[in-house]
Amino acid sequence: AQSVTQLGSHVSVSEGALVLLRCNYSSSVPPYLFWYVQYPNQGLQLLLKYTSAATLVKGINGFEAEFKKSETSFHLTKPSAHMSDAAEYFCAVSAYSGNTPLVFGKGTRLSVIA
Amino acid sequence: GAGVSQSPSNKVTEKGKDVELRCDPISGHTALYWYRQRLGQGLEFLIYFQGNSAPDKSGLPSDRFSAERTGESVSTLTIQRTQQEDSAVYLCASSLDRGGYGYTFGSGTRLTVV
Repeated sequence: AQSVTQLGSHVSVSEGALVLLRCNYSSSVPPYLFWYVQYPNQGLQLLLKYTSAATLVKGINGFEAEFKKSETSFHLTKPSAHMSDAAEYFCAVSAYSGNTPLVFGKGTRLSVIA
Repeated sequence: GAGVSQSPSNKVTEKGKDVELRCDPISGHTALYWYRQRLGQGLEFLIYFQGNSAPDKSGLPSDRFSAERTGESVSTLTIQRTQQEDSAVYLCASSLDRGGYGYTFGSGTRLTVV
């Protein structure tokens, strides 16, 4: 079984500051890991994914995430926050193999202050 | 189509009525997923289709909820005798496979039961 914990339901950063959104996962099998972003009144958009290749994954809009097996973490970072980054961010996990849908964390709302 | 299309985008219904939510996946996507997102919450898995079969219905909250899919095309989620706790955004997603491709989400149907 898989599960995801996102630390912090709300993160607030200043424009230009580092963005760090935390995600820890639990999986009994090698995982696939994903970050999605949801803007108000929209569906979820894939930011990036880890599928057992490079542990540092680069995504859209300048975001990246690093898979750390020893820490069971997949934190999302961006060096410099932009106002347009304000949104809800979801981490998700699924099994590398097998027939399991994505399991999502509860989400972290990112606010960017001018 | 170019994206995942969901209809209606908004639905207000009276308690006790039945509702049907529709999802039109990306052409060629064999896997289709339904999730529910309550206000301020993460995504709750409901059901998953591979083709027109549903290997995993474990998330359906009660026997008032059912879903079907025609071939590798449109899916409908039906909620019978709606209750106020059914109020949520219902999100549909499709993918090429159940593995590491990630999902493409629709914009959702916002259901309000009054």
